[in-house]
Amino acid sequence: DQQVKQNSPSLSVQEGRISILNCDYTNSMFDYFLWYKKYPAEGPTFLISISSIKDKNEDGRFTVFLNKSAKHLSLHIVPSQPGDSAVYFCAASAHWSQTSYDKVIFGPGTSLSVIP
Amino acid sequence: DTEVTQTPKHLVMGMTNKKSLKCEQHMGHRAMYWYKQKAKKPPELMFVYSYEKLSINESVPSRFSPECPNSSLLNLHLHALQPEDSALYLCASSQEGPAQDTQYFGPGTRLTVL
Repeated sequence: DQQVKQNSPSLSVQEGRISILNCDYTNSMFDYFLWYKKYPAEGPTFLISISSIKDKNEDGRFTVFLNKSAKHLSLHIVPSQPGDSAVYFCAASAHWSQTSYDKVIFGPGTSLSVIP
Repeated sequence: DTEVTQTPKHLVMGMTNKKSLKCEQHMGHRAMYWYKQKAKKPPELMFVYSYEKLSINESVPSRFSPECPNSSLLNLHLHALQPEDSALYLCASSQEGPAQDTQYFGPGTRLTVL
């Protein structure tokens, strides 16, 4: 049972245009969300995060939007550049309880190709 | 500085070998993690160390043995691995623990088991 879903395995965007990567989650306990970018044979690189008390967080060309009622978040990249071509993972975490442990759950990833 | 380093970058081993993967961070983070990642899949959590103590073992086979010698170092000892254990092994660290905290990943060790 996937708790974090990225329903688009791949996405192609023209250079200079907006890339929108989507992520849905099922567990309303999640209260912290992250996006990671990953090149082949490298470790994931942290991009941007958002806490559930916010609905938007911006960092340069990257903006993450959170819609708690829809259990949906999205990553916008504007403008897209060829160097943005990578796999993007959405991840979510929560403080479950004092007796269980905390854990980050990763989505399956979306492969973004930015075409020059 | 958000750097997590891992050695070696690549490792090829036979099923009877014993080897170790090493991870280091100097960010003062108190939580460190081992993940396994197969091609086209998300990272899968293996172990979590919090304040140098093993806090999570995700039912990982005993042929993988983690060790945290101090707050900056994390090792993964490998023994009698199977070919299906071939994967990218990622180390990560975070300030405190997984909840509401950002994990920073190392570049990974590409492991091939023959």
